[in-house]
Amino acid sequence: AQTVTQSQPEMSVQEAETVTLSCTYDTSESDYYLFWYKQPPSRQMILVIRQEAYKQQNATENRFSVNFQKAAKSFSLKISDSQLGDAAMYFCAYRNLNRDDKIIFGKGTRLHILP
Amino acid sequence: SQTIHQWPATLVQPVGSPLSLECTVEGTSNPNLYWYRQAAGRGLQLLFYSVGIGQISSEVPQNLSASRPQDRQFILSSKKLLLSDSGFYLCAWKGVPWGIGNTEAFFGQGTRLTVV
Repeated sequence: AQTVTQSQPEMSVQEAETVTLSCTYDTSESDYYLFWYKQPPSRQMILVIRQEAYKQQNATENRFSVNFQKAAKSFSLKISDSQLGDAAMYFCAYRNLNRDDKIIFGKGTRLHILP
Repeated sequence: SQTIHQWPATLVQPVGSPLSLECTVEGTSNPNLYWYRQAAGRGLQLLFYSVGIGQISSEVPQNLSASRPQDRQFILSSKKLLLSDSGFYLCAWKGVPWGIGNTEAFFGQGTRLTVV
């Protein structure tokens, strides 16, 4: 069964600094999607970034980028120039491409931004 | 455009009472539908998912059940709530592989359930 592990329950970063959130996953599949979602205090789930496993190039969305290491089954999120609005719970997620199309989430990392 | 509606937003129910949470999706056909529960320290736990009408897969054995009576309607139910059922419940949809929104899940606003 696929699993997603986020080993950092909480992290803090100074405003304008860079922070990296870690995520590892376990799967026997060769093709899949990985995601990072943000959940601000409103609790609305917002997609931050997605990565297709067959693409070697790391995905980037403005200040957000990932370091995708397929062999190591690692998918970390880097937030550059951290802003107060980045304070949220961040979830890493895995989606297989089988018919069942399950989407599995990690336990999340709560990110605090220090002014 | 596609939208997802989930209600109620907040619910307080006594132990032993029944539960019905509803989720509907607009603007797409034959979506995959998901129910997740978010409890403190446990992240986002997949409870049920459905790839079509009447097709329900359960991930976690418990006293909850799900049904999909219509293509874009997903219902989470319980006959008798337990204290441990308290949490934040999220419904989500994803488009079919050949359709719109076919990569990631899109979430509703969630229901905060407190069992007392």
